[in-house]
Parts: sequence; structure tokens; C-alpha cells
Amino acid sequence: QVQLQESGPGLVKPSQTLSLTCIVSGDSIGSGAYYWSWIRQHPTKGLEWIGYIYYNGSPYYDPALRSRLTMSVDTSKNQFSLKLSSVTAADTAVYYCTRSQYGGRGGFVYWGQGTLVTVSS
Amino acid sequence: QSALTQPASVSGSPGQSITISCTGTSIDIGGYNYVSWYQQNPGKAPKLLIFDVSNRPSGVSSRFSGSKSGNTASLTISGLQAEDEADYYCSSYRSSNTLVVFGGGTKVTVL
Repeated sequence: QVQLQESGPGLVKPSQTLSLTCIVSGDSIGSGAYYWSWIRQHPTKGLEWIGYIYYNGSPYYDPALRSRLTMSVDTSKNQFSLKLSSVTAADTAVYYCTRSQYGGRGGFVYWGQGTLVTVSS
Repeated sequence: QSALTQPASVSGSPGQSITISCTGTSIDIGGYNYVSWYQQNPGKAPKLLIFDVSNRPSGVSSRFSGSKSGNTASLTISGLQAEDEADYYCSSYRSSNTLVVFGGGTKVTVL
């Protein structure tokens, strides 16, 4: 049973950096079989794909967030991380970590439970 | 504004069939068979219902089916049940700088 679990601060001040980690169990990131994505959902809004990280550390970021995003992977801990800098209230959202094939092909089958990050002073 | 267009709401009576549309372009839905559909209940993570246009993951009811014609994908829920009341999102691979796009979501109400 594949499980993903997000962790990180629920409150971040404007202009600071949002940092989240996703711990994976039941699968090995290092196998290289999948891509590990972050998806966010603004309050009462739709879903937004942020980007993915591959087992070898290669990231792909959505162009709208590329300048503020850093993703990384730690295969020894079987986890991957997200850092979003210079946050504003517009970055307030539930952040999900997920697993899929390249470009979401095959669908996002496994999701974390989601973690709400609020940007506020 | 979402990259894929879905109706904001669709409703139906128990036992009826409803269809949710998802319209994109030739660089996403129209160009590839990588459309997925998700069901989301309040406070929960989305659940994959359909992948690659018309495939159901193991454990998903056969009452859910997907199809595609041109730049528009569709999700049909047959034999509508009260438990189907939820938000539904479509997603597609896109051959652009944004690899994955979503629809704005459709709220399904069971009358």
C-alpha cells in the first residue's frame, strides 16, 4: 500500500519561504518508476499542478512558479521536498504530494492527505 | 481561470445518468490520450476515477466511464447515487511548458 504524508509549517509569514516534505512509504522513490509531484488547491478553488521531482533530482516546475520554486529528493529517506520563496497570501492553499507517470500520464493515483499552508503575518 | 473548461455544476436524480464535459485544446486533450478524472469530497484528497481517457483503476465502480471526442473529454456517471455528490475534476497532459493542466471542477448534486 503506497502512502504519502506531507509535513511542514501550517503558517508562513509573507515574503518568507514555504517548506514542505513528503514522506513516501510502500514504494521506493529511487526505483525511478514514477515522478513525484506537488499539487495545490487554493481555498474553495480548483487544483493546480506545481511541478515534479524525479528520483535523480531532476525537477520540472510550472512556469508560473518557476522563479520561486525549488524541489529536491532524498532517496535515502524516501522523501521529497518543496520550497516556495517570497510567498504571498495568494500561496495560501492545501498542498498535496502525489505520484504519477511522466506528465500525469496514468493519472495521479496516490495522494497525501494534504496540508493547509496559510500565508499571514 | 483554469486551463480546461468544465461546467460549474451538474445535477441529476438518483438512478439517472449525468455527463460532465471537459474542454481543452489540441495541445492537451485533443492531442493525447492522457485525460484523467478525479472525485473530491469535502476535506479529502482527490480520488482517481479514470485515467488515460477511459481506464478505471481497480476498485472504482463501473458506473464511472470516460470518453473523448476532439478537444473535449467526458465523464459519465450512470445510476447516480447520493454518494456521488462531490466535486469532479478533469486533468490532462499538455505539450507545453505546463505539463499538467486541470479543469476548474464540477459540483455534482444529487436531487
